[in-house]
Amino acid sequence: DAKTTQPPSMDCAEGRAANLPCNHSTISGNEYVYWYRQIHSQGPQYIIHGLKNNETNEMASLIITEDRKSSTLILPHATLRDTAVYYCIVRSQNDYKLSFGAGTTVTVRA
Amino acid sequence: EPEVTQTPSHQVTQMGQEVILRCVPISNHLYFYWYRQILGQKVEFLVSFYNNEISEKSEIFDDQFSVERPDGSNFTLKIRSTKLEDSAMYFCASGGLAGGTDTQYFGPGTRLTVL
Repeated sequence: DAKTTQPPSMDCAEGRAANLPCNHSTISGNEYVYWYRQIHSQGPQYIIHGLKNNETNEMASLIITEDRKSSTLILPHATLRDTAVYYCIVRSQNDYKLSFGAGTTVTVRA
Repeated sequence: EPEVTQTPSHQVTQMGQEVILRCVPISNHLYFYWYRQILGQKVEFLVSFYNNEISEKSEIFDDQFSVERPDGSNFTLKIRSTKLEDSAMYFCASGGLAGGTDTQYFGPGTRLTVL
């Protein structure tokens, strides 16, 4: 029961911004949007999360639409080391687990 | 920066043997998790642990699996009698409380190979 929809893959150029879309049209009011990434077979790495406001940290920015039905993760200056599978996950405060989908495979090209 | 650590990085075992995977969560975290990822497949939730008891578990987490926090620092996953299909990467995660919900931080994983 996937709560999010992401494109299976995307390419971006090194040094450019990478904009990763995610649809979560059935999101509830108490559900957060989380982004993780997984580089090769390493453990998933937390990137950012938000409820309704846009968020920014040292890794990325998260833009959530006003109706909260979609969001975009922005990597401002992609590097080759940003090549990874990126997961958009919707999770409520009462839910312990993270439910991973297939994510978006992002390839950063020189 | 504090991080979750896991040992061993790779474990090879014979079918039917017991294995214990170990994790040291981030020290002030309260929530602990195990996930697994079979090669080429999605990351799957196994179990969550809070206040010294299981708070949620998936269908995968049957009687062959158990978790324990034997002391103040370690968190273990035991598989009693391994099967070929238990071969996977096993990830431990821990979470504190941040912004009203806990953010989970993952360890590097243990690759379990069952022969």
